[in-house]
Amino acid sequence: DAGVTQSPTHLIKTRGQQVTLRCSPKSGHDTVSWYQQALGQGPQFIFQYYEEEERQRGNFPDRFSGHQFPNYSSELNVNALLLGDSALYLCASSLGQSSTYGYTFGSGTRLTVV
Amino acid sequence: LAKTTQPISMDSYEGQEVNITCSHNNIATNDYITWYQQFPSQGPRFIIQGYKTKVTNEVASLFIPADRKSSTLSLPRVSLSDTAVYYCLVGDMDQAGTALIFGKGTTLSVSS
Repeated sequence: DAGVTQSPTHLIKTRGQQVTLRCSPKSGHDTVSWYQQALGQGPQFIFQYYEEEERQRGNFPDRFSGHQFPNYSSELNVNALLLGDSALYLCASSLGQSSTYGYTFGSGTRLTVV
Repeated sequence: LAKTTQPISMDSYEGQEVNITCSHNNIATNDYITWYQQFPSQGPRFIIQGYKTKVTNEVASLFIPADRKSSTLSLPRVSLSDTAVYYCLVGDMDQAGTALIFGKGTTLSVSS
């Protein structure tokens, strides 16, 4: 049973560029949440997708956008990259919008902005 | 903002029992308490979840007093591989759209 798969694992981008990160949820899960984790900090909630719509959003600017596809996979897009966007980006999947049985996280995409 | 307070770090030796206490004074009636474990360069991993009293699984135990304003994660006989960051979260896990809000967590270091 595949867990959450994220790609790519590592990425280096230049300031001002745009980036797309991808996530395939755990088999049977239909909800995807994205998190940003800076070094030494806890994961910060970006947004959550369910039924192909953004259902909840954290305190992140509009430069951060996402999409969920009919097969429940998801993309996170970040425009006009800043140095401060360098972080580990985590995708978490769950069944339905509640997390009674816990979220399953991927291993993340390490984004470095130079 | 995270609704929980945990110690920043803890140290232990192999074979000891480790108890990490989390304070959540403003926990709501419908909130559950959930703990996650995170190793470097990996995503957090669900450990245990509870609402009241005591919950035990193959990995840990979770003790929740009657007032639910705090909780204690207990790791029996830790090993070097238990060195990780542990996060305590509270939230209404039955509510649609609940997002997990993480604090800074507790860094547990286990030595031989």
